Amino acid sequence: KAGVTQTPRYLIKTRGQQVTLSCSPISGHRSVSWYQQTPGQGLQFLFEYFSETQRNKGNFPGRFSGRQFSNSRSEMNVSTLELGDSALYLCASSWTLFGGAYEQYFGPGTRLTVT
Amino acid sequence: DAKTTQPNSMESNEEEPVHLPCNHSTISGTDYIHWYRQLPSQGPEYVIHGLTSNVNNRMASLAIAEDRKSSTLILHRATLRDAAVYYCILSRGDNNDMRFGAGTRLTVKP
Repeated sequence: KAGVTQTPRYLIKTRGQQVTLSCSPISGHRSVSWYQQTPGQGLQFLFEYFSETQRNKGNFPGRFSGRQFSNSRSEMNVSTLELGDSALYLCASSWTLFGGAYEQYFGPGTRLTVT
Repeated sequence: DAKTTQPNSMESNEEEPVHLPCNHSTISGTDYIHWYRQLPSQGPEYVIHGLTSNVNNRMASLAIAEDRKSSTLILHRATLRDAAVYYCILSRGDNNDMRFGAGTRLTVKP
């Protein structure tokens, strides 16, 4: 079974631009969660989507948004990029919304650099 | 949100057992204890999880204290490929929101 895939793997953007990152979950998984990883803040939860609905959201500004499509693929968007948005963006998929009892599977991440 | 406390770093010798501790004194009754690890330049990888009873799988064992305020991840024979950051996370049973801490950086010496 194919794992979680994320595209692109690397991205360089300029401050003020916007960016869209994509995540394809494992086949059959309906939940997709997004995380931001930086050296200073570590891994931080951004939001989770299940059946095309945002179910849970972390403490990030409104510049960070996402969506999920009917095939469970998800995209996240960051508008008006700031230097501090440079990070590794990870997505994780799970087959269920009630995740505490089940494992999540992470993709390799998209490395975003904002200059 | 309940938090976890782990040592910043630990060292182990290859082929010896490793015990990675985690304190979670504010754990609630519905929190599952999860362990993930992250190898360099990769996304986190699931290791093991449990609720109340000790758990074993092909990768590791999870020992949970009777009062559930602490747990220990046991790698039975460390290999060089086990060098990674290990995260102990409490995850509620009703969502997929995982709050990662700083984790423990495990170094395995040959």
